[in-house]
Amino acid sequence: QSVLTQPPSASGTPGQRVTISCSGSSSNIGSHTVHWYQQLPGTAPKLLIYGNNQRPSGVPDRFSGSKSGTSAPLAISGLQSEDEADYYCGAWDDSLNGYVFGAGTKVTVL
Amino acid sequence: QVQLQESGPGLVKASETLSLSCTVSGYSISSGYTWGWIRQPPGKGLEWIANIHQSGSTHYNPSLKSRVTISLDTSKNQFYLKVISVTAADTAVYSCARYGHEFDVWGQGAMITVSS
Repeated sequence: QSVLTQPPSASGTPGQRVTISCSGSSSNIGSHTVHWYQQLPGTAPKLLIYGNNQRPSGVPDRFSGSKSGTSAPLAISGLQSEDEADYYCGAWDDSLNGYVFGAGTKVTVL
Repeated sequence: QVQLQESGPGLVKASETLSLSCTVSGYSISSGYTWGWIRQPPGKGLEWIANIHQSGSTHYNPSLKSRVTISLDTSKNQFYLKVISVTAADTAVYSCARYGHEFDVWGQGAMITVSS
């Protein structure tokens, strides 16, 4: 059971907006920045969002992150077929004194 | 650009020790940053294993701490992971990555299978 809670799946049609939730506690999301990773099928994870809402160079602006209290959702607007992947949230956790990942959300483009 | 490449045995027998190395190119690990290992069992999610700062300070996943050691060699620009007493539950893709406050650069991963 993951410290960070994500829904196992999410889906949408091309062009739709999809939101993935990531819920934690005061020892992780409530105290530290949240990051999101995208894992395309058969590939290594890639940093998608850092610092709660910052995009690394090359990440399209249809991906956006936010944080409020102990929740940090990821939004994908204008969903595209190439967005079909697994998405993981992550953050440092003071209670575990280590990094924690959510269990991952599989996004399907219908 | 910064690149990381894992090296490992591919197959390890149960109860034995797994040793992995990560070679960093395009950046000197002695210059800074923290370096980490993450694993992903087949069909499952990501699990953080351990981090090591260029100074040598370490952090471990409490669930693995008794069996895992992370280390680095700045002269070779490599860092390492050792897992003792492996079982089938340690079968996974093991990835090394650079850590700022997030894992921003990842290796491609090395599949490690524990056989009985």
